[in-house]
Amino acid sequence: GAGVSQSPRYKVAKRGQDVALRCDPISGHVSLFWYQQALGQGPEFLTYFQNEAQLDKSGLPSDRFFAERPEGSVSTLKIQRTQQEDSAVYLCASSSTNGGHYNEQFFGPGTRLTVL
Amino acid sequence: RKEVEQDPGPFNVPEGATVAFNCTYSNSASQSFFWYRQDCRKEPKLLMSVYSSGNEDGRFTAQLNRASQYISLLIRDSKLSDSATYLCVVNQAGTALIFGKGTTLSVSS
Repeated sequence: GAGVSQSPRYKVAKRGQDVALRCDPISGHVSLFWYQQALGQGPEFLTYFQNEAQLDKSGLPSDRFFAERPEGSVSTLKIQRTQQEDSAVYLCASSSTNGGHYNEQFFGPGTRLTVL
Repeated sequence: RKEVEQDPGPFNVPEGATVAFNCTYSNSASQSFFWYRQDCRKEPKLLMSVYSSGNEDGRFTAQLNRASQYISLLIRDSKLSDSATYLCVVNQAGTALIFGKGTTLSVSS
């Protein structure tokens, strides 16, 4: 079946520009996660949704980062006034977990953001 | 101090070699433990979960020592296709995954 998809796969933005990154999770998956992976680093948690509720946004690096999942399916990560340090791969993952215990998180291919 | 620490490598080994990766984690409340594999410019994929009793999947053996907060991965009879970055991962209460920086393995013929 279809896995997690993300778009665009590549995005080049000028510093100060706003960007929106989209994630389509596996159908029926309750939980959705966003991670940021800088070059040479492991992914770092940004935010977590259970259905449409954003239960944890402790990893968002600044108030320029905003995520939503209004209908409990597709999610969008928005970065306002992009800075060069925002350059990274943004990974989305989904799982069927309903909290409490771990279910495997399946990752999308990521969006590679380059801020010039 | 990072919550999950691993030697970044790179580990350069010939085909057929046995190689071991180690990882330590700082949060004793961590409940679940994994090794993920990430190929160059690809997304991470679950390689195997790690249990205190130790577990094996073909050429791969993973071990967890909760007392020492230490996780290991052993790869026997390395193949060219094993070349990748191996990420040590911990999880608390079924939410965010905490990744190490990754250990790069390069297997050559």
